Amino acid sequence: NAGVTQTPKFRILKIGQSMTLQCTQDMNHNYMYWYRQDPGMGLKLIYYSVGAGITDKGEVPNGYNVSRSTTEDFPLRLELAAPSQTSVYFCASSYPLEGVNSNQPQHFGDGTRLSIL
Amino acid sequence: RKEVEQDPGPFNVPEGATVAFNCTYSNSASQSFFWYRQDCRKEPKLLMSVYSSGNEDGRFTAQLNRASQYISLLIRDSKLSDSATYLCVVIQESNFGNEKLTFGTGTRLTIIP
Repeated sequence: NAGVTQTPKFRILKIGQSMTLQCTQDMNHNYMYWYRQDPGMGLKLIYYSVGAGITDKGEVPNGYNVSRSTTEDFPLRLELAAPSQTSVYFCASSYPLEGVNSNQPQHFGDGTRLSIL
Repeated sequence: RKEVEQDPGPFNVPEGATVAFNCTYSNSASQSFFWYRQDCRKEPKLLMSVYSSGNEDGRFTAQLNRASQYISLLIRDSKLSDSATYLCVVIQESNFGNEKLTFGTGTRLTIIP
């Protein structure tokens, strides 16, 4: 049971490049989330998904896209990388919070450190 | 007013001391509350849930005050290993029937030898 796995762990991009941050979980969680965390700041929700085929915007969705074709995978795409997107990106997953494991609301991946130069 | 607010700190506390910090929330309908711990350059990890009656886990005590809409975390006999950022998490039901989870920005704690 690997939990939540994010790849890559580190990446440097040039302005205008595109890339996809991968996230997969093997816990059969319905809910998945993408956050970004800037230095010294809290977590800001980018997008989330409550199940395969369903995605919703979070607090800071501009400049990002997501898809959820399977329960396991929730990739985050940057189409035109900008310096403002330099951040640490965390993927997380959970059951519906009223469900079986409501005492463990979210499991996090190790994070992806992304720099846009 | 922010949905979830925390004093960012930093709190610099001598080893062995007791430290407490609060987290306020704006939505009185909030349902569940948690404290997470985040070490530098690591992912957040669940520290403890916060129950209505208050709960204790070793040196850590979490309390909920619904009337004043805040949760608190108290750490007794602080250790160097307690140095971290502590994030509060508030869960409420959204307008669409899904749960909405909001993180505070975190309180940075440094334990000084």
